[in-house]
Amino acid sequence: DAMVIQNPRYQVTQFGKPVTLSCSQTLNHNVMYWYQQKSSQAPKLLFHYYDKDFNNEADTPDNFQSRRPNTSFCFLDIRSPGLGDAAMYLCATSKGTSGGEDTQYFGPGTRLTVL
Amino acid sequence: SQKIEQNSEALNIQEGKTATLTCNYTNYSPAYLQWYRQDPGRGPVFLLLIRENEKEKRKERLKVTFDTTLKQSLFHITASQPADSATYLCALNRDDKIIFGKGTRLHILP
Repeated sequence: DAMVIQNPRYQVTQFGKPVTLSCSQTLNHNVMYWYQQKSSQAPKLLFHYYDKDFNNEADTPDNFQSRRPNTSFCFLDIRSPGLGDAAMYLCATSKGTSGGEDTQYFGPGTRLTVL
Repeated sequence: SQKIEQNSEALNIQEGKTATLTCNYTNYSPAYLQWYRQDPGRGPVFLLLIRENEKEKRKERLKVTFDTTLKQSLFHITASQPADSATYLCALNRDDKIIFGKGTRLHILP
């Protein structure tokens, strides 16, 4: 089945130690998104790629970076995790339909713990 | 800025009854609105999309309405079952992105 895969499902890192989360998709979608979701909060968009074009949200901290080496893979790098970065990180994809009506397909998420 | 408001408190509904969840938004006129389901520790799953020129959309036991005058969408689950217990997120399109609400946690009581 076509899907969005995130690894690892659970990640523990130390304060200030760089960490990379990965996402892959078999849907061949043009757009890939990274969201941060804290408990009982809305998913917060960090950035997204439309093909190779990177789009950063204005309020995404510089501590968060992303790479998309090819259509299938996208990575989230947190350069110096702080305690406030502990959250669920969700990867999503969409076709990138022109004119809207673009539903998103989410992966299972990576739960990040910062010690 | 755009605001999406969903009931922050959990909603408890007896099995077999209809559950109705509300999504209100301000400062925006979205072309369409979506509803997603999210189970604990999982990513959201798309359920329904309704366009601004549609009043109502149905899918099996689910029904969504969209009132652009009131700036409100209602999400109904008829003949609710304990397996319907989850958090339901409302989402609006903005440019080429989707903005999510916090969601409403629904508990269906057996």
